Amino acid sequence: GQQVMQIPQYQHVQEGEDFTTYCNSSTTLSNIQWYKQRPGGHPVFLIQLVKSGEVKKQKRLTFQFGEAKKNSSLHITATQTTDVGTYFCAGSAGGFKTIFGAGTRLFVKA
Amino acid sequence: SAVISQKPSRDICQRGTSLTIQCQVDSQVTMMFWYRQQPGQSLTLIATANQGSEATYESGFVIDKFPISRPNLTFSTLTVSNLSPEDSSIYLCSVPQGNYEQYFGPGTRLTVT
Repeated sequence: GQQVMQIPQYQHVQEGEDFTTYCNSSTTLSNIQWYKQRPGGHPVFLIQLVKSGEVKKQKRLTFQFGEAKKNSSLHITATQTTDVGTYFCAGSAGGFKTIFGAGTRLFVKA
Repeated sequence: SAVISQKPSRDICQRGTSLTIQCQVDSQVTMMFWYRQQPGQSLTLIATANQGSEATYESGFVIDKFPISRPNLTFSTLTVSNLSPEDSSIYLCSVPQGNYEQYFGPGTRLTVT
C-alpha cells in the first residue's frame, strides 16, 4: 500500500538557523499537504501542493513539490521559538484519503 | 474553515469498558474522518464516517472494536470498545474542506488503566 516517509524524525536547531523536513511517497501523489502540530495541540493545516514542481511560500516557510510528485519538502528560514512543534506531510493518491508521514519534531533553542 | 469540537477532551477509563467520543461540526459536511494518534506517533486513519451509510474502516480497524455513528451531517461518534492499555491514544476527528485539506478537532486524550 501507499507509504509516506518523512525525515528527519526530529531536529534541534538554534534560533535563527534554518530547518528542512523531507517527505517521500512510494507512489505518485495527486496532492500533498503540510500540517503543524504544537505540543499538546492538534494538527493545523498549513498548505497544499498539487502541481508538479510547485513552490509556495508563507513568510519564512517554503514548500516544494517534486517534479515526479513523489516528494516534497518544507524549509523554514531563520527559525523562531514559535516554530516549535511537529510538522507532518500528508499525501493523497486521489480523493480525500490521505496518508500521514511520521512527522518531524522541531526543537528550537533560544 | 469549519469549527470542530470534541467531547470529552480527555478521559481515564478502566480496561474492559468503552468510551464514546463525540465530534460536532458547525457546518454540514459530507465526510468526517476519525484518526488515532498514539503517543509521539503520527496519525492513523481509523475510518471514514459518511452520513446515511456504514462507515468505511481502514485495514486493521474493525467495526466491533470501533463502532461509529453518523446520524446527521454535523455530528459523529466513535466508540472505542473493550478497552485495553494499548488503546491509550489521542483520538481526533477531522473534516475535509476545500481541495482536500483537513481540519481537525482538538482531540480526545484517552488513558486506559
